[in-house]
Amino acid sequence: GDSVTQMEGPVTLSEEAFLTINCTYTATGYPSLFWYVQYPGEGLQLLLKATKADDKGSNKGFEATYRKETTSFHLEKGSVQVSDSAVYFCALKRNYGQNFVFGPGTRLSVLP
Amino acid sequence: DVKVTQSSRYLVKRTGEKVFLECVQDMDHENMFWYRQDPGLGLRLIYFSYDVKMKEKGDIPEGYSVSREKKERFSLILESASTNQTSMYLCASSFEGIGRLQPQHFGDGTRLSIL
Repeated sequence: GDSVTQMEGPVTLSEEAFLTINCTYTATGYPSLFWYVQYPGEGLQLLLKATKADDKGSNKGFEATYRKETTSFHLEKGSVQVSDSAVYFCALKRNYGQNFVFGPGTRLSVLP
Repeated sequence: DVKVTQSSRYLVKRTGEKVFLECVQDMDHENMFWYRQDPGLGLRLIYFSYDVKMKEKGDIPEGYSVSREKKERFSLILESASTNQTSMYLCASSFEGIGRLQPQHFGDGTRLSIL
């Protein structure tokens, strides 16, 4: 079945460091791909999205490119801030129905 | 802005009780979802609904039921609560847009403890 795999956390970085959180997926057909962020004590918020191969989603300095050949959607940010500390979820939306499949989440801690 | 509101942020119940978790969305979304979130397991889909009175089982429906009598409201019911249902519960909704990219919008979650 469809699945999403993310790198294990927690990830701890210093402020202004470069961030990469790896995400790979297994799915039939061509799913849409998402990154969600969950700040402490809150629900999930959509961070960025991509619908087809080679699409790049971007928001708040974060970027991710839909790579069909490697079935990946890695999240990157050039310079992280303390306020980026959160749990990040990679997800795919199946191309039938409205179901999403979420990865296990990666906790990011950014130290000042 | 889409608003998804869950009735309680924190809830403590006892084993065997019948528990109701309520979720309301204000954007006329057709689709609504209930997930539970557990450390190391991410989000797992319990049930979803794509229309009033319609429901579909997700990946872990055992021990749960749902009710959708009105479009804006989706209730999750624990028929007889057990300690292994202690978890964070997240409600989400989305617009039914075939061929378009429709993300899910989440509530802030209900942290449920079963004693």
